[in-house]
Amino acid sequence: EAGVAQSPRYKIIEKRQSVAFWCNPISGHATLYWYQQILGQGPKLLIQFQNNGVVDDSQLPKDRFSAERLKGVDSTLKIQPAKLEDSAVYLCASSFSSPGTGRYEGPDTQYFGPGTRLTVL
Amino acid sequence: AQSVTQLGSHVSVSEGALVLLRCNYSSSVPPYLFWYVQYPNQGLQLLLKYTSAATLVKGINGFEAEFKKSETSFHLTKPSAHMSDAAEYFCAVSDKSRLSFGAGTTVTVRA
Repeated sequence: EAGVAQSPRYKIIEKRQSVAFWCNPISGHATLYWYQQILGQGPKLLIQFQNNGVVDDSQLPKDRFSAERLKGVDSTLKIQPAKLEDSAVYLCASSFSSPGTGRYEGPDTQYFGPGTRLTVL
Repeated sequence: AQSVTQLGSHVSVSEGALVLLRCNYSSSVPPYLFWYVQYPNQGLQLLLKYTSAATLVKGINGFEAEFKKSETSFHLTKPSAHMSDAAEYFCAVSDKSRLSFGAGTTVTVRA
């Protein structure tokens, strides 16, 4: 099965420019996540979608970051305008939402894409 | 809020030696715990996860981790390191949804 696809893999922009990243999750995965991974740190969740609805965007800097998943499949993350501190790897992940069986067995496994490395100069 | 602390940002081991990566968690509820591996220029891959069944969890590539509630730890081990184990390893904790990752431990393997 194909994994999570992301593009571009690398992007270099000047500060105050805008940039967009694209993610295509594994087929059939209802949940999609965007993470920011700054060098030397673990990934931090920016936004989580369930189908085309937002589940958690509490850590998304909404003054400059936006994300959408209009048809409940692929997703776009945008930064406008970019700042130097936005330099990071942006990871997309997806998970299959297990149907309820009456016993919760933990969060669904997330499958990660290769990421987009953003450098803001 | 839940969090994890990974002790040691870099670990260097000889090929064939024991790999031990330390992770301590903080959680107000019974946690779900994970170890992920990240190879250069790749995304994260799940090694193993603890979901309150057996306290000793076996994962892929010969790795295992033991959940110790009394020590609030979930250390990752592999008896014999291989050159292909060189990567960055992340411990993570979750309640029912959001994953919170540690800062990561980079493993280098010496021939």
